[in-house]
Amino acid sequence: AQSVAQPEDQVNVAEGNPLTVKCTYSVSGNPYLFWYVQYPNRGLQFLLKYITGDNLVKGSYGFEAEFNKSQTSFHLKKPSALVSDSALYFCAVRDTNNAGNMLTFGGGTRLMVKP
Amino acid sequence: GAGVSQSPSNKVTEKGKDVELRCDPISGHTALYWYRQSLGQGLEFLIYFQGNSAPDKSGLPSDRFSAERTGGSVSTLTIQRTQQEDSAVYLCASSPLEGNWGNQPQHFGDGTRLSIL
Repeated sequence: AQSVAQPEDQVNVAEGNPLTVKCTYSVSGNPYLFWYVQYPNRGLQFLLKYITGDNLVKGSYGFEAEFNKSQTSFHLKKPSALVSDSALYFCAVRDTNNAGNMLTFGGGTRLMVKP
Repeated sequence: GAGVSQSPSNKVTEKGKDVELRCDPISGHTALYWYRQSLGQGLEFLIYFQGNSAPDKSGLPSDRFSAERTGGSVSTLTIQRTQQEDSAVYLCASSPLEGNWGNQPQHFGDGTRLSIL
C-alpha cells in the first residue's frame, strides 16, 4: 500500500524567509512523488515531480524539493517566500509496484506568508 | 490549449435530489480521475478511468455514486438521492497514458462546488 503524510496543517513564514513544507511517504516499491498547489476556488496545479535521478528537483515558481530515500521524505522548499505563495500544498505519491496509475494525496498543508 | 473543464462550477440542490457533474478532460488524455475534497481538506479518490479498461470504482463511497465516460472523453459523475454529507468540491483530473505514463502529473479542473440543503 502507498501512503503519504504531511505532518503540518499550517506553516507560517515571513516574506523573504526560506520556507519548507514537509512530506513523508510509504511505498513497497519505488516512489513517484509529486507536489501540487491549490489556490482558493481553484483546482490543483502541478509544481514538480521526482521520478528518478537527481535528488533535488526544481519546479515552477522557484520551488524545489529534495528526495531523501533513507528518510522517505520529499520536502518542498523555496529560498525566499512571497506573499503570493500563500496557498494549500499537497504532496502525492505513486508506488511503482502498483499496477494502476493511482496517486495518494496527503492531507495538505496551508502555507501562510506574512508581509 | 484548453485545460480540464468542469461544469457546473457551483451546484445547490435539495436533499434527496439527483445531481450530475460533468468533466471534459484535456484532449488526448486517456486517463480520467474523480476526487472529492471536503472544505479545505485533502483529496478523497472516487473513481478512475484508464483508456478502454474497466474503471477502478474502489473509492466510490456508496451505491448512490456512479460515473460514466462516453467515447473515452467526457465523464459524468452522478449522485443519486443526495445527502447533506455529499456537500463538497468534486474535482476531475486527466493525464496522458503514453510512454511511461506512471510518472505523468495529473491535470486538474477547478471543480464543482456541491451544496446539499
